[in-house]
Amino acid sequence: KAGVTQTPRYLIKTRGQQVTLSCSPISGHRSVSWYQQTPGQGLQFLFEYFSETQRNKGNFPGRFSGRQFSNSRSEMNVSTLELGDSALYLCASSHEKPSEKLFFGSGTQLSVL
Amino acid sequence: AQKVTQAQTEISVVEKEDVTLDCVYETRDTTYYLFWYKQPPSGELVFLIRRNSFDEQNEISGRYSWNFQKSTSSFNFTITASQVVDSAVYFCALSPLSSGTYKYIFGTGTRLKVLA
Repeated sequence: KAGVTQTPRYLIKTRGQQVTLSCSPISGHRSVSWYQQTPGQGLQFLFEYFSETQRNKGNFPGRFSGRQFSNSRSEMNVSTLELGDSALYLCASSHEKPSEKLFFGSGTQLSVL
Repeated sequence: AQKVTQAQTEISVVEKEDVTLDCVYETRDTTYYLFWYKQPPSGELVFLIRRNSFDEQNEISGRYSWNFQKSTSSFNFTITASQVVDSAVYFCALSPLSSGTYKYIFGTGTRLKVLA
């Protein structure tokens, strides 16, 4: 069974640009969540989707958005990039229940110059 | 407030030493799950264990063991006879259920370096 796939693996952008990150969950998993990881801050929850609906959202500005498609694949978008958005963005999937263990992708390393 | 604290930012041990990673959590929920994940240099977090709030039994899996104590809101992780391959960042996480949220709260992680 293929794991969680995130693309691209690395991304370099400049301030003010926008970026879209993609996540393909494990087959059969309907829940996809996104996390931002920065040194010293650990993993910060961005949002979680289930069956194309956002079930919960973390404390991030509106520049961060996401969506989920009918095949459970998910994308997250960051508009008007700032230097502080440089981070590792991790996607995780699970079947459906919030108490289940998460399966993580290798992440997208975003650098904003 | 819901919070996970991993006070140890970085720990270095010599191979074969035992090491304990501390995790303290805060939640008002009566039903919740606690987790430990390992993040090797490749970046992908790997699940290690899940514990629900009603199960305080300690667990042992090979060289790994976990001590869950509700009285002190702690869920500590011990590696016995550490190996170089144990070098990674370890995250403790809380998933509260009563409040109907669908998210994990992660600690800031503990970087473990095992020296040969």
